[in-house]
Amino acid sequence: NAGVTQTPKFRVLKTGQSMTLLCAQDMNHEYMYWYRQDPGMGLRLIHYSVGEGTTAKGEVPDGYNVSRLKKQNFLLGLESAAPSQTSVYFCASRTGSGELFFGEGSRLTVL
Amino acid sequence: KNQVEQSPQSLIILEGKNCTLQCNYTVSPFSNLRWYKQDTGRGPVSLTIMTFSENTKSNGRYTATLDADTKQSSLHITASQLSDSASYICVVSAAGSARQLTFGSGTQLTVLP
Repeated sequence: NAGVTQTPKFRVLKTGQSMTLLCAQDMNHEYMYWYRQDPGMGLRLIHYSVGEGTTAKGEVPDGYNVSRLKKQNFLLGLESAAPSQTSVYFCASRTGSGELFFGEGSRLTVL
Repeated sequence: KNQVEQSPQSLIILEGKNCTLQCNYTVSPFSNLRWYKQDTGRGPVSLTIMTFSENTKSNGRYTATLDADTKQSSLHITASQLSDSASYICVVSAAGSARQLTFGSGTQLTVLP
């Protein structure tokens, strides 16, 4: 049982490049989330989804897009990367009782 | 605005000692509070959940308390081990919304031999 899997784990981009982070969960959870974690700050919600085909904005959505075409996958896209998007990104899925299961994180550096 | 404040920001203790981490919140309406442990380079993992009616809950050497009146929670670690070195994050859920999870900034605990 893999839980929540994120790919890639590390990526370096140049300013203006685009990329997609993939999150896959095998627990049949409806809710999925993308967070970013920066030093000295708590996890901040970028976008979330309450089910297949749905997405919604979180606390810091600017510069990111998401898609949930399949229940098990939640994709986070950066269309034109900026240095301010250098961060560690965490995907999570949530049980009915509200427990979050996190992936291992994707470390992104934008030069 | 919903907020979760954790203290201290960082803590260094010797192996075998006890410690207590604090979490104060202003989240309404309150649903539950969870403590997560995040090892370096890993994703957070849930340690315990506290609901409105619960005062104390233990998970091995970890004991969480909740005072819903003062909106405070604590996480007590007994007989610390080197593997307890991690960031401990307090997360408070508000009732009624999928996005209403408010995260604290975490307490970085270092256990020295």
